[in-house]
This record gives sequence, C-alpha cells and structure tokens, in this order.
Amino acid sequence: GAVVSQHPSRVICKSGTSVKIECRSLDFQATTMFWYRQFPKQSLMLMATSNEGSKATYEQGVEKDKFLINHASLTLSTLTVTSAHPEDSSFYICSARTLGVRYYGYTFGSGTRLTVV
Amino acid sequence: AQSVTQLDSQVPVFEEAPVELRCNYSSSVSVYLFWYVQYPNQGLQLLLKYLSGSTLVKGINGFEAEFNKSQTSFHLRKPSVHISDTAEYFCAVSDHGDSSYKLIFGSGTRLLVRP
Repeated sequence: GAVVSQHPSRVICKSGTSVKIECRSLDFQATTMFWYRQFPKQSLMLMATSNEGSKATYEQGVEKDKFLINHASLTLSTLTVTSAHPEDSSFYICSARTLGVRYYGYTFGSGTRLTVV
Repeated sequence: AQSVTQLDSQVPVFEEAPVELRCNYSSSVSVYLFWYVQYPNQGLQLLLKYLSGSTLVKGINGFEAEFNKSQTSFHLRKPSVHISDTAEYFCAVSDHGDSSYKLIFGSGTRLLVRP
C-alpha cells in the first residue's frame, strides 16, 4: 500500500533556530500533501495544504512566515519551522492524498516530535 | 466549513465487551468518512473508510462503522474489545464539494479497555 515516510521522528532544537521536517511518498506520487499539528491529548489541527509546484494554502491563524512549506516534487514536501520557540513544540504529522477507486484515502507519516528548548 | 463531532472524550469498557464510538459530521452533499486509530507517539492508522456504496463498512481488527446520512453519523463499533484496542480514535471527514480535499478531524475519543 501507499507509504509516507516522515523524518526526523524526533528533534530537539534551541530557541531561535530553524528545523526542517521532510515527508516523502515512497511508492506513489502525491500531488497534494497536508500538514497537521497535534498538541498533547488533542486532535490534529490542519495547518496547510501543499500542492506540487504551487504555493501552500494555509489555514486561518497559521503563520506563513513561521511555517514554511515547500512541495517541489511529486514525492517530497517539507515543513520548516523558522525561528522556533518553545510554544512551537508539538507533534507534526504529514499526510498525502492517494487516488484511485480502490485506494482513495489519506496516508499519514509517522509524525515528528519537535521540542524547542 | 465541514466539522466533525466526537461527543465522547473517553470511553472506558471492560475487555470482551462491545463498544461504540460516536461520530457526527456537519451535513454536506458528498462526504468521505474515515476512522483512524493512533497509538502513543505514533502516526495514524486507517481502520476503515466510507466512500460510497454499502452503508455498513467493515475495517481492520474487527471494527465496523455505519454511515447514516439522515442522522449525519458514522459511529464505530466493535462487538468484543481487547486490551490492545486501548488507543485514541479519530473520526475524519473530507467534503468533496470542497476542491481542496481537506481532511478534517474530530476531537478524538480515548478508548480505555480494562481487564
């Protein structure tokens, strides 16, 4: 089945630095990827939708300049948390939409636990 | 905008008992519905999905769900739970009248299976 590989699984960074999270679709082309943020014991909040070759569409309240999303190829989308602060600490999950009559759905990466110290 | 409501934040149940996790969504002409399970510090695993056709959907690990359009519900059921079913369960909906194909999640229900 469709697999989305997300790296790193855990990252600790100093306040003020930037962190890049990668999501790769391993055996299919992902024209659309989604980035979510999940606080402890809470649901997944959609941050943005990225489409290959175009600018990402951000949800209301999400800072575009802080959370940079790049979807330069059909198999890779990246989320860069710029000038990270402790309040950016969270669990970030990517998802890709899979097409086809039988396989339609959304495949998720395994998540990245970001801790900003 | 589409929304999903999971009324129960936590459902405690004894092992081998049946369970139902409730999910309601805001009305739309065409929706795709999903149930996912999440174990601690992991991503999401698809349990089942409704795209079209039969309203009773069977998924993995003995779970099933029924799409009820008139009640805008998609409740998840399992006739006999195991300790290993303890996890967080999320209902999600994608509105196909929305060309962005966003997947919107409910707040989640923690299933706690006790021996």
